[in-house]
Amino acid sequence: GAGVSQSPSNKVTEKGKDVELRCDPISGHTALYWYRQSLGQGLEFLIYFQGNSAPDKSGLPSDRFSAERTGGSVSTLTIQRTQQEDSAVYLCASSNPGGKDNEQFFGPGTRLTVL
Amino acid sequence: AQRVTQPEKLLSVFKGAPVELKCNYSYSGSPELFWYVQYSRQRLQLLLRHISRESIKGFTADLNKGETSFHLKKPFAQEEDSAMYYCALTLPPGGYQKVTFGIGTKLQVIP
Repeated sequence: GAGVSQSPSNKVTEKGKDVELRCDPISGHTALYWYRQSLGQGLEFLIYFQGNSAPDKSGLPSDRFSAERTGGSVSTLTIQRTQQEDSAVYLCASSNPGGKDNEQFFGPGTRLTVL
Repeated sequence: AQRVTQPEKLLSVFKGAPVELKCNYSYSGSPELFWYVQYSRQRLQLLLRHISRESIKGFTADLNKGETSFHLKKPFAQEEDSAMYYCALTLPPGGYQKVTFGIGTKLQVIP
């Protein structure tokens, strides 16, 4: 079946602009995660959704970052007034917590470059 | 709070040599441990999980609760093992299942 998809695959923007990153999880997966992957920083947790609610937003680096999920499916990560330090690969993952374990299935990522 | 530590950012070994990627965790309960791998230009994917006690692509990992470690091992490294490896921890089923990842170790197998 289809895996996790993300769009766009690449995004180049100017400092100060807003960007929206989209994630389509695997159908039926109730849990959805956003991570940021950058050189030297590894995999940084941003936010976790269970259904449409976000019980853990602790990883969002500032109030410029927000995310929402609608219909228990698609999620959008929004970064306002982008800064150069926001440049990274943003990964989305989904899982089925009702399954036998919590394996996460990752999307291909969105590479964000802030000029 | 749970924490995963991978002390080596880069590990270089020669082809045919043994490999050990270190992972230590901090959590007072009984977590579930995983290794994820990301090959060049591919998605991050699950390699193995401790509850399955499986060997995948020649890799094994044993959970040592006394030392709170979950090191990944392979007796003879192959060039195709070159990748980024992440150790991850999640709480047992039934509660909030946030997955905590380590910073990752880049494995470089030298021909």
